[in-house]
Amino acid sequence: DVKVTQSSRYLVKRTGEKVFLECVQDMDHENMFWYRQDPGLGLRLIYFSYDVKMKEKGDIPEGYSVSREKKERFSLILESASTNQTSMYLCASSLPSKGGHEQFFGPGTRLTVL
Amino acid sequence: DAKTTQPTSMDCAEGRAANLPCNHSTISGNEYVYWYRQIHSQGPQYIIHGLKNNETNEMASLIITEDRKSSTLILPHATLRDTAVYYCIGADSNYQLIWGAGTKLIIKP
Repeated sequence: DVKVTQSSRYLVKRTGEKVFLECVQDMDHENMFWYRQDPGLGLRLIYFSYDVKMKEKGDIPEGYSVSREKKERFSLILESASTNQTSMYLCASSLPSKGGHEQFFGPGTRLTVL
Repeated sequence: DAKTTQPTSMDCAEGRAANLPCNHSTISGNEYVYWYRQIHSQGPQYIIHGLKNNETNEMASLIITEDRKSSTLILPHATLRDTAVYYCIGADSNYQLIWGAGTKLIIKP
């Protein structure tokens, strides 16, 4: 069974802390994505990666960075967490087709920044 | 901006067909329409996608109008487990999915 896993389901951090969210996929997918989801706003793309060591900004990259050192792992980093980064964070992966037809999602990490 | 518009919520009786509409009048000729759903507390799940022709898989059918300005997702025999938020999605020029707020579908016993 294909799987995308995220390091934590729930996370509570304090303002100013550095936060790492980890995502691992076991499908040998080239593409990986990080989204955040807020009530009434749908999913918004933060960063994505088409290959190891490659990264592209999505729609809302400010305040975030990413790392992809291995094909199966894509990390989202909040350099200095702020309360407006309290959100649900979703990781996804897909095969390298234009349009990313089928993205496989992890269960999400609900991050609260106090 | 999302390229699609959907009703905020819908109800459907268990065992009946659930028909979820979507308007995508600004979608361009070579852009696919995708449908995902998100069950509470889970990540989104891919359902189906299409370009011009109607499509069917084990989960659902997708009916796309000839002018491609709208489509309908059909769940032929809805069950309580189909209660979820359903997203009709277009893609931007970089082929990234543009998510709207979706339709909250409630299946009632």
